[in-house]
Order: sequence, then C-alpha cells, then structure tokens
Amino acid sequence: EDQVTQSPEALRLQEGESSSLNCSYTVSGLRGLFWYRQDPGKGPEFLFTLYSAGEEKEKERLKATLTKKESFLHITAPKPEDSATYLCAVQAWAGGYNKLIFGAGTRLAVHP
Amino acid sequence: DVKVTQSSRYLVKRTGEKVFLECVQDMDHENMFWYRQDPGLGLRLIYFSYDVKMKEKGDIPEGYSVSREKKERFSLILESASTNQTSMYLCASSEGTGGEKLFFGSGTQLSVL
Repeated sequence: EDQVTQSPEALRLQEGESSSLNCSYTVSGLRGLFWYRQDPGKGPEFLFTLYSAGEEKEKERLKATLTKKESFLHITAPKPEDSATYLCAVQAWAGGYNKLIFGAGTRLAVHP
Repeated sequence: DVKVTQSSRYLVKRTGEKVFLECVQDMDHENMFWYRQDPGLGLRLIYFSYDVKMKEKGDIPEGYSVSREKKERFSLILESASTNQTSMYLCASSEGTGGEKLFFGSGTQLSVL
C-alpha cells in the first residue's frame, strides 16, 4: 500500500537551532515528491518538487533532499516566522491517473 | 497573483442538510481537486476534475458529489450531511494532470451538528 509518514509529528526549536524534518515513503512508481508549508487557517503553499534520488532544492533557510526511501527538509538557523506545519506528498500512478499522497505533517514551532 | 477562492471560511450545518461548498480559481487551470484534512490523517482526496463536466472519484468519495459546469468553478456537495463529515475542506487547482504543483484555497471548516 502506498504510504507517506512524516516525523516528528511536532518539533519545537529555539531561534537559530537548525534541524531536519523527515518524510519516508513507500510507493510504487514514484513520480515526484513535494513539500508544502501550511500556516494556521490557510491552505498549503507549495515549496519544492524533487524528482530523483540525490536531487536537492533550496529556498532561503530551507533545503530539501531526496533519497530512494525518504526526503528531508533541513531548516538552517530558523526564525519564528518559519513556524508552520510542513507537509510532504508523493506523486504516484494510481492506475489511470497521477495522485498525490500526503503525509500527516510536522508542526514546527520556532521560539525567540 | 494567482488565487483559489472558497466561498465560506466557516460553516455550521445540521445532520441531514444538503451542503454546497464552492470553489473558484482565476488561473485558467484544467484540473481542480477537493480534499478533506483531519488531524493526524493528512489530506485525503475526495474528488477531482480534469475538464468541464468531467469528474473522477478520489480515495474517499462516499457521501459526496461534485459539479463542474464551468472551468473556473468546482463545487463539492454533501447530499445529506453527517457528523463524520465535520472537517476542513480544501479546494485546489493545478495545470498538470496529477496535481504536480497545487494551488490551494484557504479552506472551509465545516461543522455538522
């Protein structure tokens, strides 16, 4: 069964304390892996797409990496405005169409 | 700036009521999606549409239907609302056929009492 698992469920960091969020997946025929950011009361906002193992993408303090079994979202020297829920999703072939399978997310809180 | 607009931010309905959730996108996207988001479960796909008047079931279509009469508008219908349909409903659109980069609305928090 296709599955996406994110860990930890919640993470509390001090401002400037770097860390990583994990997204592990089991899916047949991975077509892409996506990271989204979701602020409270809002819909998710696209961050990155990764397509193949070894690929990396960066945006400000965020860096996403991909292996054959998992992806990491590295947060370097986070600031309070990085506080949000980070969602991972994998794109897989569902026998007729592409579908996105979402993880439950990691709630990140960055404190001053 | 691209935009997906959901008609209501909060809704409170009674069990058995017929509920309409409306979604409009201004990006001329072919593809539109309805998800529900529940704590600990992630986003789950209810229905999607690749073209006007076309619809496909997602992972959890039971108890829901959809309508896409115009390209920019995608409606989710709860024929007879039940308490287990209390959830956050998110509409999204994309250019690609698999929702590669989804643009989401702000969501509708539906409570069914």
